[in-house]
Amino acid sequence: DVKVTQSSRYLVKRTGEKVFLECVQDMDHENMFWYRQDPGLGLRLIYFSYDVKMKEKGDIPEGYSVSREKKERFSLILESASTNQTSMYLCASSLFGAGGPGELFFGEGSRLTVL
Amino acid sequence: ILNVEQSPQSLHVQEGDSTNFTCSFPSSNFYALHWYRWETAKSPEALFVMTLNGDEKKKGRISATLNTKEGYSYLYIKGSQPEDSATYLCAFRRNTGNQFYFGTGTSLTVIP
Repeated sequence: DVKVTQSSRYLVKRTGEKVFLECVQDMDHENMFWYRQDPGLGLRLIYFSYDVKMKEKGDIPEGYSVSREKKERFSLILESASTNQTSMYLCASSLFGAGGPGELFFGEGSRLTVL
Repeated sequence: ILNVEQSPQSLHVQEGDSTNFTCSFPSSNFYALHWYRWETAKSPEALFVMTLNGDEKKKGRISATLNTKEGYSYLYIKGSQPEDSATYLCAFRRNTGNQFYFGTGTSLTVIP
C-alpha cells in the first residue's frame, strides 16, 4: 500500500520560531510537492521538487524554503514563522515518468498554528 | 496563476439523492484533469485521472465526464450515501510544467 507520511499532524509554534515539516514517501516517486490549504482557497502550491536536490517555486513560496537531500524525503522549512502561516500543509508525491498524467498521493496533512 | 473553479461550494443532499458538481478550467494547453475525494481527517485520494476529450470514467456510483474544448468536467454521484460526505477537489494540469492547479472544492454532506 502506497504511503506518504507527514511527521506531525498538529503543531503549535510561536512567531519567529523555525519550523520543519517533514514528508516521506515510499513509492520511489520523483516528484514531491508542498501545498497549503486555507478556507475558501484551493490547494496552493508552495514548492515542488522533481529530483533530489532540485526544487521549483510554486505560487506562494515567500517565507518558505525546502530541502530534498534524499529521494523519499521532502522537507518544508519556515525560517521564521508568522501568524499568516497558520494553515493546513499537505505533502504529495507523484510519478510523472513516461509522460504519464501523474496521480497525486497525499499525506494526511499537518495543521500548523502560529501564535 | 490559472483559474480553476468548482461549483457549488457546498451541497447538502438526502441519502439516496443523486447529485453532480462542476469543475471549470482553461480550455487551452490541456494535459489532464484529476478528481480527488477528501474526507475529514484523511488524505485526499484520487478518484479519476482524465486525459482525453469526451472521457467518461466510472467507479461504483461515481462517474465523471470531461470536455476539454469548452473546459469543464462534471462529477456525478448516483444514490448518495452518508459515506460519500467529503470535499471533492478537481485539479487541472496543463501540457507545460509539472504543476497542478486546484479548485476550491465542493463540500458534500449526505444527510441520512
